[in-house]
Amino acid sequence: DTAVSQTPKYLVTQMGNDKSIKCEQNLGHDTMYWYKQDSKKFLKIMFSYNNKELIINETVPNRFSPKSPDKAHLNLHINSLELGDSAVYFCASSQVPLRRSSYNEQFFGPGTRLTVL
Amino acid sequence: QKEVEQNSGPLSVPEGAIASLNCTYSDRGSQSFFWYRQYSGKSPELIMSIYSNGDKEDGRFTAQLNKASQYVSLLIRDSQPSDSATYLCAVKRRDDKIIFGKGTRLHILP
Repeated sequence: DTAVSQTPKYLVTQMGNDKSIKCEQNLGHDTMYWYKQDSKKFLKIMFSYNNKELIINETVPNRFSPKSPDKAHLNLHINSLELGDSAVYFCASSQVPLRRSSYNEQFFGPGTRLTVL
Repeated sequence: QKEVEQNSGPLSVPEGAIASLNCTYSDRGSQSFFWYRQYSGKSPELIMSIYSNGDKEDGRFTAQLNKASQYVSLLIRDSQPSDSATYLCAVKRRDDKIIFGKGTRLHILP
């Protein structure tokens, strides 16, 4: 069984379009994250949700909007896509939120490779 | 100074030897440290976490932490070709944010 799953795996789209990436975890974790890994493989946190509540919101353009319908799901919607948005987006989850414990081992989904043309 | 710094490599190690991966961090108040392995085209996979000074061993992997020197390392004993990957160091800062290094590419030579 897949612990953290993402759809789609690949997403190719034109500049200016709006797209969504979905993430689901079946680990029973309370906290979920979105990361962006650019072409230089640098992994950077974008958002973190704990039990549907936004707790980390890094300096990310407001074209990016996370949505958490329940604690097992965290989706990422991107408006007006730009060339610089091309990257691999990883969803992750951990048992407890970052602020509550030192033990924040994160489990990553398989990633969504977004290509903006 | 970068928040979490790693040598990008590639680090080439003969099969069977010990691979030593290093990471330094800038926030002295950091409390939690993680090593992730990422194969090309795959997602990061947690292999070790360490929270207190000293060594922590798990199979062929040993994590070492020295908070005074702001230094964390990962040793891989009896290196195997399957260990060839990028190793990401991650540090949880005192403000609870997790920062990843850019990773070290490890290549085990058969």
